[in-house]
Amino acid sequence: AQKVTQAQTEISVVEKEDVTLDCVYETRDTTYYLFWYKQPPSGELVFLIRRNSFDEQNEISGRYSWNFQKSTSSFNFTITASQVVDSAVYFCALSESRGANSKLTFGKGITLSVRP
Amino acid sequence: NAGVTQTPKFRILKIGQSMTLQCTQDMNHNYMYWYRQDPGMGLKLIYYSVGAGITDKGEVPNGYNVSRSTTEDFPLRLELAAPSQTSVYFCASSYSGGLGYTFGSGTRLTIV
Repeated sequence: AQKVTQAQTEISVVEKEDVTLDCVYETRDTTYYLFWYKQPPSGELVFLIRRNSFDEQNEISGRYSWNFQKSTSSFNFTITASQVVDSAVYFCALSESRGANSKLTFGKGITLSVRP
Repeated sequence: NAGVTQTPKFRILKIGQSMTLQCTQDMNHNYMYWYRQDPGMGLKLIYYSVGAGITDKGEVPNGYNVSRSTTEDFPLRLELAAPSQTSVYFCASSYSGGLGYTFGSGTRLTIV
């Protein structure tokens, strides 16, 4: 069975600080996909990134970066120079395969508060 | 291109009443999903479908039913509403699991 653990529940930082959101996953599949979603106070789910299990390259998109390490089953998300608009709940999620078991399993989410 | 459309956005229901949450997608996606989100618990899968006529239970199916008569529609039915079903419900679809998921904007349901 697949599982996603986000051990941090709430994080509070001051604007311009860097912050890392941790994600640890469990799966028995060799082919899987990892995602990060942002849920702002308005409630919608905003897709941030998708990574497949065969691509361990780290990715940077503006102030956002992701560190995927298969050796530790982790897919951590760093926000550099945080801004108030980054305040949201962030979910890490895992999908095991493309077939009938392609269900997306979510972690419990991390509430990030960025103070001005 | 509307994506995934959920209706209603908000609803208050009395205990014991029934209702259907509607979900429609216009992307010709085979896979559709219903999740519920409770505070601090993330999103949990209620039911999913891999194509028209095929549905299966997720992690928390009790108290719900679904049907998938067309590729586009995947309604979620609550037969006897209970306070424990107070939650935010999200519908999602994907062409093929793992390639990406499109979520609806959610339905906030309160059972009183």
